[in-house]
Amino acid sequence: ILNVEQSPQSLHVQEGDSTNFTCSFPSSNFYALHWYRWETAKSPEALFVMTLNGDEKKKGRISATLNTKEGYSYLYIKGSQPEDSATYLCARPINDYKLSFGAGTTVTVRA
Amino acid sequence: DSGVTQTPKHLITATGQRVTLRCSPRSGDLSVYWYQQSLDQGLQFLIQYYNGEERAKGNILERFSAQQFPDLHSELNLSSLELGDSALYFCASSPSGGASSYNEQFFGPGTRLTVL
Repeated sequence: ILNVEQSPQSLHVQEGDSTNFTCSFPSSNFYALHWYRWETAKSPEALFVMTLNGDEKKKGRISATLNTKEGYSYLYIKGSQPEDSATYLCARPINDYKLSFGAGTTVTVRA
Repeated sequence: DSGVTQTPKHLITATGQRVTLRCSPRSGDLSVYWYQQSLDQGLQFLIQYYNGEERAKGNILERFSAQQFPDLHSELNLSSLELGDSALYFCASSPSGGASSYNEQFFGPGTRLTVL
């Protein structure tokens, strides 16, 4: 993996269901991994910054785990609500200053 | 509201023209980042400034330039515009100069540039 890959590209979830999706990244030279939520017509908003020694991160019904050895992070949404509909981006620093973003996973929650 | 402001919100111009996009970071943030999001493309990093100095460059065209002023606001100048420059341009800020550590970035609302 050269940079950051996210899968799936999009997914549809029934309101109340839980879901998860993946961010894959090169496992060497890990610094940190960022997760952002990008709602339509808004700007990206930081959710989590995952670090090497970090545990699972949680914000409300959204949580993220990290496996630096195998190079992936999962984002979980528990009990999805319509307001969770957004594109979720992960990004990794590839040097001290540059963030490389994945293409995102677009989540649509159906009422 | 992230605290980052960008003006204008929308800009429509013709090919060959030059435009300036403006960004004011969150109060206290020293770093400003510029990103481009074109149709069907992800967020592409253009350039970063920290306390007035250029820190990092991404895939920024030679026709594009940026600067950060003493009051920490930043401007992105796009010249000799082409149709392909039509995109959403985001500015983001963070407290310090390092993206590799724990510095989440705070994004502005973006400027939608349309080149006709």
